[in-house]
Amino acid sequence: DVQMTQSPSYLAASPGESVSISCKASKSISNNLAWYQEKPGKANKLLIHSGSTLQSGTPSRFSGSGSGTDFTLTIRSLESEDFAVYYCQQYNEYPWTFGGGTKLELK
Amino acid sequence: EVQLVESGGGLVQPGRSMKLSCAASGFTFSSFPMAWVRQAPTKGLEWVATISTSGGSTYYRDSVKGRFTISRDNAKSTLYLQMNSLRSEDTATYYCTRILRVNYVMDAWGQGASVTVSS
Repeated sequence: DVQMTQSPSYLAASPGESVSISCKASKSISNNLAWYQEKPGKANKLLIHSGSTLQSGTPSRFSGSGSGTDFTLTIRSLESEDFAVYYCQQYNEYPWTFGGGTKLELK
Repeated sequence: EVQLVESGGGLVQPGRSMKLSCAASGFTFSSFPMAWVRQAPTKGLEWVATISTSGGSTYYRDSVKGRFTISRDNAKSTLYLQMNSLRSEDTATYYCTRILRVNYVMDAWGQGASVTVSS
């Protein structure tokens, strides 16, 4: 199975700041990587697919980069609605696997 | 608006069975592969199974292979997950997801159905 290692597990930041979350795959997954946002009481939201393509409706302050084994989600100018848990997921091969999640908290 | 609504969860004893349903609306259900993803309490997300548009192809994670069956009824726009021989480690919230055929990414999620396996 492809192991997805996400870091950090927790991140504290303030509105207006920029943050980055790393996701590393145990082997190359090309650009078959997605980022999701999880918020209490809401359905999980697809933010980015194909490593760097913003899903329709995702604000432009979100960006994704990387290919192969190393990927990064960056959120610029954090807004209050961005405080949530973020997961990366590879869909290059079965079993699809997720990173352990990053909880972005308000500092 | 795309909607995925899971149902059928609850408390079940180890070794027993349970069937989850996911009612889809707001899109042409038969045109999209679908999947189930679960999340154990305080844990991360874990893919469970995927089914093709026709139902002719299915994929499972090893830990549920032979115990779980994913199926669909395109006439009813409903996805199912039949879970047999349930174990305590199957305790989780189960999410129904829609998959985009163009790149096989899960672009829509339901709110989840909670399954607790306990005596």
